[in-house]
Amino acid sequence: DTEVTQTPKHLVMGMTNKKSLKCEQHMGHRAMYWYKQKAKKPPELMFVYSYEKLSINESVPSRFSPECPNSSLLNLHLHALQPEDSALYLCASSRETSDYTDTQYFGPGTRLTVL
Amino acid sequence: AQKITQTQPGMFVQEKEAVTLDCTYDTSDQSYGLFWYKQPSSGEMIFLIYQGSYDEQNATEGRYSLNFQKARKSANLVISASQLGDSAMYFCAMREGQDDKIIFGKGTRLHILP
Repeated sequence: DTEVTQTPKHLVMGMTNKKSLKCEQHMGHRAMYWYKQKAKKPPELMFVYSYEKLSINESVPSRFSPECPNSSLLNLHLHALQPEDSALYLCASSRETSDYTDTQYFGPGTRLTVL
Repeated sequence: AQKITQTQPGMFVQEKEAVTLDCTYDTSDQSYGLFWYKQPSSGEMIFLIYQGSYDEQNATEGRYSLNFQKARKSANLVISASQLGDSAMYFCAMREGQDDKIIFGKGTRLHILP
């Protein structure tokens, strides 16, 4: 089973709203990732969690706040977003970080629209 | 310099024909992995195939094979007997050594024509 689930599938929010994206995997993976993808572009890495600890923050604005409550769950809390933050947000997981043989498996994504 | 180069922004192929999607990479690491992902319009990134830098045989997964030419630093994806459902964006990606990050190319949009 290589399933990563993400909820919600679609999200529309105003610039003053607070919302959260959720990602879950039950593959026993210890690395989890958040990516942002704009239309017709490759995914851009935002955050990496390794063994439930934040290991990489790619200089993401503080209006995006990641959280890893346990090894299966990854959240992305959103607050005071801008219209340019509208994008597809992809979650991924892999067995480990720091292993070039390790495949990242992606969830179906959340399409976010900020009005 | 780009680490992953996909030179074909878009391709149109007749159904049932074989397709080759080009990918070249640039790394000074001896240890690296190469990945291909498919992204349909629904958005999900689907892992297709992996090739390690030390693998001597070309990887194959069903209708997908990876034509790995290490000296030329190329890792082309070959799809045999294309189907309408193969229409999607395809990304070549690389992971180097102990790096946490995966580097994506810009992608190739493949259109399969009936």
